[in-house]
Amino acid sequence: NAGVTQTPKFQVLKTGQSMTLQCAQDMNHEYMSWYRQDPGMGLRLIHYSVGAGITDQGEVPNGYNVSRSTTEDFPLRLLSAAPSQTSVYFCASSLPPGLAGINEQFFGPGTRLTVL
Amino acid sequence: KNQVEQSPQSLIILEGKNCTLQCNYTVSPFSNLRWYKQDTGRGPVSLTIMTFSENTKSNGRYTATLDADTKQSSLHITASQLSDSASYICVVSPREGANNLFFGTGTRLTVIP
Repeated sequence: NAGVTQTPKFQVLKTGQSMTLQCAQDMNHEYMSWYRQDPGMGLRLIHYSVGAGITDQGEVPNGYNVSRSTTEDFPLRLLSAAPSQTSVYFCASSLPPGLAGINEQFFGPGTRLTVL
Repeated sequence: KNQVEQSPQSLIILEGKNCTLQCNYTVSPFSNLRWYKQDTGRGPVSLTIMTFSENTKSNGRYTATLDADTKQSSLHITASQLSDSASYICVVSPREGANNLFFGTGTRLTVIP
């Protein structure tokens, strides 16, 4: 099992450019999420999905789009990059919560994005 | 306001020594509390997950404690190793949703020889 994979590992964009961060998992997890991690702040949820065809907004969704056409893939799209989107982006996946309300999340290695 | 606060922000210890990291939270209601280890340049990796009914859980040299009454948790690392150098993140899950997690800002631990 490769677990959760993310590409690219590093990316530099100019303001206004668009790009897609890729995320894939091979654990057959229904739940997938995108987070951003900024210095001095905890991880913040951007968008999440509870299954193919179902997505919803998290805490900081503005400027990002997602889609979930397959169980395995959950790409994150930046439509018009801004310097404020400079961050490290993590994708995570999990099974649905069990009876105890627990669903262990597995994180990818991250994508470090710089917007100039 | 739902918050997770961790202390200290950073910590330097000698190899072989023990240390304890703290997590205080105001998240309510409460379902479970998680501790993650994040190596530099990597994604977080789960160490322990505790529900409100559990007050201690171990994973090798890592032992987490939880006091749901005072809303405090600690992560104790025994006989530290150089490979323990990382950020340790406390995460609290309320009862409402699987994706409604509250993350602390982490404690940066450096273990020196």
